Amino acid sequence: GESVGLHLPTLSVQEGDNSIINCAYSNSASDYFIWYKQESGKGPQFIIDIRSNMDKRQGQRVTVLLNKTVKHLSLQIAATQPGDSAVYFCAENPGGSNYKLTFGKGTLLTVNP
Amino acid sequence: NAGVTQTPKFRVLKTGQSMTLLCAQDMNHEYMYWYRQDPGMGLRLIHYSVGEGTTAKGEVPDGYNVSRLKKQNFLLGLESAAPSQTSVYFCASTVGGHHYEQYFGPGTRLTVT
Repeated sequence: GESVGLHLPTLSVQEGDNSIINCAYSNSASDYFIWYKQESGKGPQFIIDIRSNMDKRQGQRVTVLLNKTVKHLSLQIAATQPGDSAVYFCAENPGGSNYKLTFGKGTLLTVNP
Repeated sequence: NAGVTQTPKFRVLKTGQSMTLLCAQDMNHEYMYWYRQDPGMGLRLIHYSVGEGTTAKGEVPDGYNVSRLKKQNFLLGLESAAPSQTSVYFCASTVGGHHYEQYFGPGTRLTVT
């Protein structure tokens, strides 16, 4: 999985499998977390977000889990498809009123047919 | 709505030349951001703006200047380009309030030789 500060990790899965992408964050004051998907040559695209008063949030085929005790965030993608192949970034809002986000370095997900 | 647009899409500069990157958003967002993305790294914040007429430094502001004369536009300037500024530049915006998700443009790929 990825962490703010580590090299870009990779994850390779078979089409139809579930994918889990991990992210560790360091700022215990962060109160908002977000996942982005970035396809080659494009800008990041919002997937799902979660606030610190929640531990789970579900979207269409995606689930984000937040464990504040160990400062860990994960993105689960169900029934992974070739179109899910991309770099996935987690980001956190470290607090404050400027709505800034601090991004991790990303995880490259490759879906094999 | 076009969302967030960036011009140009590609540019090659010689060391010492100057240029301006234009970001425009049609979502009436209050907050705008400029990031750079280098291989194997996440997005790093260059400068941001919390409203028309305001700008502030981000994580890596040296060598860049910005202006936000109109709410919908956010300009990023390089006064004297250096090879270290070779990167992909992304603009983003967010509405603020209870919303933290940022919407990104398609990026500008800049090469400085």
